[in-house]
Amino acid sequence: DTAVSQTPKYLVTQMGNDKSIKCEQNLGHDTMYWYKQDSKKFLKIMFSYNNKELIINETVPNRFSPKSPDKAHLNLHINSLELGDSAVYFCASSLTTRGTIYFGEGSWLTVV
Amino acid sequence: GESVGLHLPTLSVQEGDNSIINCAYSNSASDYFIWYKQESGKGPQFIIDIRSNMDKRQGQRVTVLLNKTVKHLSLQIAATQPGDSAVYFCAERPSYNQGGKLIFGQGTELSVKP
Repeated sequence: DTAVSQTPKYLVTQMGNDKSIKCEQNLGHDTMYWYKQDSKKFLKIMFSYNNKELIINETVPNRFSPKSPDKAHLNLHINSLELGDSAVYFCASSLTTRGTIYFGEGSWLTVV
Repeated sequence: GESVGLHLPTLSVQEGDNSIINCAYSNSASDYFIWYKQESGKGPQFIIDIRSNMDKRQGQRVTVLLNKTVKHLSLQIAATQPGDSAVYFCAERPSYNQGGKLIFGQGTELSVKP
C-alpha cells in the first residue's frame, strides 16, 4: 500500500499550459508538503500545509497554487508553465509539523 | 541562502566495507536531523533521524552521529551492499520550526563496487 501517492508520475507539456499534480496520503497525517528537486538534485520546500491550512509558502511564484481539499490531499496546480518549471515535484507528509517526513515517488515535469 | 552542505559529492566503496557520509550544517538553531536515501527514479526514503539532545543513534546497519560543537552530522553504513547504491541526503529542521520545513544538503552519491 502506497503511503504517499502522487499522479501523474511523468508529465510533458508545452510552455504556457496549465497543469495539476495530485497527491494523497493514507497515513492519517496532519501535515503535507510540496518539495521541488532541480536538475542538480537539490531539494527545496515549496509549500507546507497543516490541517488544510497553508503554513509555508517559500517564495514560490503565484503561478503555483496548492489546494488541500482535506487533510489527506494536497494538489498542486501550475499556471502558464515555463521552461524553468521543469523539475521533479515531490509530495510529502508528516504526522505533525515536528514529525518524520515521508515522501512520495515524485512527478517528473518537463516543459518544452 | 540556507543550506546544509556535504563534504563529498560522490563516494565509491567496495562491497562489504563500511561507508561514512558526512554533512555540515549551518543553523545552530536546528534541533532535528534526518538522513534520506534516494534511488534513481524514486522519492527520498527515510533512513534514520536524530534529535539534538542525542549524539548517536543506531538503526539496522546504519548509525548517525551528531557533533553539535562543530555542526557536523555523519551517516555510517556497515557492510555496504550493492543495494545501498543511491544518493544520500542529510537535512535539518530549525527549532523555530517553520511549518515542518526541512533544509536539505546537496546529496552524496554512493556507489558500491561488487
